[in-house]
Amino acid sequence: EPEVTQTPSHQVTQMGQEVILRCVPISNHLYFYWYRQILGQKVEFLVSFYNNEISEKSEIFDDQFSVERPDGSNFTLKIRSTKLEDSAMYFCASRYGRGETQYFGPGTRLLVL
Amino acid sequence: KNEVEQSPQNLTAQEGEFITINCSYSVGISALHWLQQHPGGGIVSLFMLSSGKKKHGRLIATINIQEKHSSLHITASHPRDSAVYICAVWAGNNRKLIWGLGTSLAVNP
Repeated sequence: EPEVTQTPSHQVTQMGQEVILRCVPISNHLYFYWYRQILGQKVEFLVSFYNNEISEKSEIFDDQFSVERPDGSNFTLKIRSTKLEDSAMYFCASRYGRGETQYFGPGTRLLVL
Repeated sequence: KNEVEQSPQNLTAQEGEFITINCSYSVGISALHWLQQHPGGGIVSLFMLSSGKKKHGRLIATINIQEKHSSLHITASHPRDSAVYICAVWAGNNRKLIWGLGTSLAVNP
């Protein structure tokens, strides 16, 4: 069964460093999403992406964040200068159409020291 | 106030019990998701519904659009059902998924 994959599974970085989280959505899906979950808290929407552009972003998704679909298969989330409060689990998700079920990757656990 | 509220926050049941988890929302939606989050963190979509009722195995989800309320039922609960169950709604423009806090379910043998 097709699945969404994410790499790395864990990343530890120093505050102020740039990180890139990678996702490979299901191949025929058209809508892509990033979410984050701070430990012990609820999942929060970060950004949605369709047709090579951001379609919606949350207040969390400030200028430190960017997304890209560089090659038609990968979908990346970049955090330019990480802060301690960026420590969280980051989930990528994709779906074929707007009325369709969303499929989630296993997550990348980011720890900023 | 959260746009998506779930109750109860925590639930402990004995194997075989019938379980109900409730979700209320305060925004206009295009659809509602019930999701399951495993102890390791992985998230699986159980149902997406915009009206009526859906059933999959021992799981049943209902939604009442007028009352802005949904329920997830688990019949004949089993210890393997132990997980966090999350209600999330697609905002009216269908571009953003708004999440509830989740209900942590423990089913004891």
